[in-house]
Amino acid sequence: GENVEQHPSTLSVQEGDSAVIKCTYSDSASNYFPWYKQELGKGPQLIIDIRSNVGEKKDQRIAVTLNKTAKHFSLHITETQPEDSAVYFCAASDSNYQLIWGAGTKLIIKP
Amino acid sequence: DTAVSQTPKYLVTQMGNDKSIKCEQNLGHDTMYWYKQDSKKFLKIMFSYNNKELIINETVPNRFSPKSPDKAHLNLHINSLELGDSAVYFCASSQDFGGGLIQFFGPGTRLTVL
Repeated sequence: GENVEQHPSTLSVQEGDSAVIKCTYSDSASNYFPWYKQELGKGPQLIIDIRSNVGEKKDQRIAVTLNKTAKHFSLHITETQPEDSAVYFCAASDSNYQLIWGAGTKLIIKP
Repeated sequence: DTAVSQTPKYLVTQMGNDKSIKCEQNLGHDTMYWYKQDSKKFLKIMFSYNNKELIINETVPNRFSPKSPDKAHLNLHINSLELGDSAVYFCASSQDFGGGLIQFFGPGTRLTVL
């Protein structure tokens, strides 16, 4: 079945710098890759997603890239701000259309 | 208006007890989910459910059971609670059943078993 690996588990960056979180997946049939942000004490919330027919998608300071050949996708956050501090999850849809989740990355923005 | 709501937000109970967590969504979605998040923040799907199909993660003990009185509600019943059940439980919903659809999460219920 599908397996999603996410790195790093913790990422600390200076405010204003960029942050990159990477995920790899195993099922070549996967075609949907969302990223969720979980703030302290809240449930995860979708921030951006990408489907297998595109290689990159951008929404203001957030972008996601997908390399289907290598089976990996990444979240890029530019000009990081304190409110970007949270846990970020990647996920991939498996052949049964279930979402398989990565282990999460705790992003810390240092002032 | 809250899209996905859960009650209670905190639940503290003794080992061996039976408890329920309620979930309601006002999005008109057809599919609802229950997730367990452990202390390391790992999200584990427990159930996916709509009016046509229930998918149970095979690793979930049968002490856990989802109950859906109607399309807008999916409650989680837990029998004979154990220490290892302590976690945050999230309810979520999506428009229909499928991995390509956005899931909307509730605020979570922190369960502590003593």
